[in-house]
Amino acid sequence: SQLAEENLWALSVHEGESVTVNCSYKTSITALQWYRQKSGEGPAQLILIRSNEREKRNGRLRATLDTSSQSSSLSITATRCEDTAVYFCATAGTGSKLSFGKGAKLTVSP
Amino acid sequence: EAAVTQSPRSKVAVTGGKVTLSCHQTNNHDYMYWYRQDTGHGLRLIHYSYVADSTEKGDIPDGYKASRPSQENFSLILELASLSQTAVYFCASSGDWGPNTGQLYFGEGSKLTVL
Repeated sequence: SQLAEENLWALSVHEGESVTVNCSYKTSITALQWYRQKSGEGPAQLILIRSNEREKRNGRLRATLDTSSQSSSLSITATRCEDTAVYFCATAGTGSKLSFGKGAKLTVSP
Repeated sequence: EAAVTQSPRSKVAVTGGKVTLSCHQTNNHDYMYWYRQDTGHGLRLIHYSYVADSTEKGDIPDGYKASRPSQENFSLILELASLSQTAVYFCASSGDWGPNTGQLYFGEGSKLTVL
């Protein structure tokens, strides 16, 4: 079974709105990564947040990490149509290989 | 810029036939990976390698072989393709191991259809 999992398969918002994707994981981790995959492309990393960090930002993106509840969130503000993609969280225990969640599909409409 | 290129980008194969998917990276990375993507399953690791001439099994290795003849090249081999192996396959590379050390760089994917 997967180590990490996003909480919703599909999300839909209008341009300019904010949206949050949540992720839960099953074991003690050293870091968690968020990836985005646009249609027809391979995934690309957005943010890496380490276990000693509570929040990390990258432009309009903000990731949080709560190790006590074993959860993470990725928020996107002022969404644009080009944010339409599948978003994955990925993590692993110490020394282990990265495990990806099943992904959350975000659609941003005009 | 980091680059992982896959070939072919799309392939139709017959059941029982042999399929080879190739991956080439110019990142000078030690680690390379093959993932499979199916709707509803996300990305699942098939094989990976951390050095030339050595490969390791991932989470779903059955029915697949891998070959790493050089640091730059990593192939995925389906000796006897089956219908259930219809999927999109992604190759990736990374400079280090584990979630804390950096990102995976993915290729654009190879869509395999087995008939």
